[in-house]
Amino acid sequence: GAGVSQSPRYKVAKRGQDVALRCDPISGHVSLFWYQQALGQGPEFLTYFQNEAQLDKSGLPSDRFFAERPEGSVSTLKIQRTQQEDSAVYLCASSQSQRGNIDEQFFGPGTRLTVL
Amino acid sequence: KNQVEQSPQSLIILEGKNCTLQCNYTVSPFSNLRWYKQDTGRGPVSLTIMTFSENTKSNGRYTATLDADTKQSSLHITASQLSDSASYICVVSPSPFTGGGNKLTFGTGTQLKVEL
Repeated sequence: GAGVSQSPRYKVAKRGQDVALRCDPISGHVSLFWYQQALGQGPEFLTYFQNEAQLDKSGLPSDRFFAERPEGSVSTLKIQRTQQEDSAVYLCASSQSQRGNIDEQFFGPGTRLTVL
Repeated sequence: KNQVEQSPQSLIILEGKNCTLQCNYTVSPFSNLRWYKQDTGRGPVSLTIMTFSENTKSNGRYTATLDADTKQSSLHITASQLSDSASYICVVSPSPFTGGGNKLTFGTGTQLKVEL
């Protein structure tokens, strides 16, 4: 498939556990975004990568959230010491160029995280 | 206060009928306004992207309008089908000259249900 893929699709964690969410963007896409979507809400921006550089992490809610894209392709969003308020769908999107605010963004199916 | 507000919050229509969804935004200046369709359990899929200078764009049975003076947009769905049942999200992209970077601002969506 040529789309954005995310894994796992579902993750249940006990409060305090660390989790890692993976995103495989469309091959060759320069820009990669992570969003958090609470139930019944629209997605909210977390962080943005241009190739391997994290250019904007202003949306990360706390220092427990960390994202990386070391080789400019696959990205991982890590949440340490998960809390119940972290329960949400985490969406990844990629776009072709560095103009992520102009280009179309292609979204993955999301990872639904439930923290018990 | 959310910078992108949508109405109605939810809507039920009969198959074959038309409907119009509304979006009011305060993000200014902006680069473009997008409408996405999000099926349950899936990532958003782009329907239309309009720059600030465009006032209408169509994609099949979907027609989006934009009034940059009143900061309003609408999405009109013609001859609805059962498969149109989804959340429709209005998204505003900031102007790159305002320091907004690549952040998109999402509305909370209108949940549409099409029934027989």
